[in-house]
Amino acid sequence: GQSLEQPSEVTAVEGAIVQMNCTYQTSGFYGLSWYQQHDGGAPTFLSYNALDGLEETGRFSSFLSRSDSYGYLLLQELQMKDSASYFCAVENQGGKLIFGQGTELSVKP
Amino acid sequence: EAGVTQFPSHSVIEKGQTVTLRCDPISGHDNLYWYRRVMGKEIKFLLHFVKESKQDESGMPNNRFLAERTGGTYSTLKVQPAELEDSGVYFCASSQTGQAKNIQYFGAGTRLSVL
Repeated sequence: GQSLEQPSEVTAVEGAIVQMNCTYQTSGFYGLSWYQQHDGGAPTFLSYNALDGLEETGRFSSFLSRSDSYGYLLLQELQMKDSASYFCAVENQGGKLIFGQGTELSVKP
Repeated sequence: EAGVTQFPSHSVIEKGQTVTLRCDPISGHDNLYWYRRVMGKEIKFLLHFVKESKQDESGMPNNRFLAERTGGTYSTLKVQPAELEDSGVYFCASSQTGQAKNIQYFGAGTRLSVL
């Protein structure tokens, strides 16, 4: 089967750094994406890794190790508005995404 | 530029009825995907259109679900007859062909409740 594992919840304080992990087991792999979803909203693309290493976009960074089937999303200088669900997703053939169950991030003052 | 729009945002129907969900992708996006999130579970792939052609419908749960994308623009997903287990949030996403990063733009979803 195909599966992605993410911690269900993470809590952090404003201004801190938080890392959200994702391990995957899939039959095909083209890349690992991260999406953010606020309550009732559309999942929004954050980052994508096709190769090993770190990708940085502002306060967000994403890391991938294909040999370990592992990736993480790093958020720096946390803000209250970062409270949301974060999904990792493996890109499979044809571009379809296989999602994890998501990590709910709560940012406290 | 308008994003991906889905209609309706909510639908409440009784078991056995028919419901049709609509998705308008971003203009010019050839790829259109349907996904579904059932309560407490992960977002799951249903099917993928490239223009008007079904590229992959391996995620469609059964023959009560019918998706179309006539003319390669908007898409509809019909559930007939609806069952209780069809309740969930149905997402549509679109993307361009040939991009280096697989960025899919999602709509806000249709929340379907089957009673």
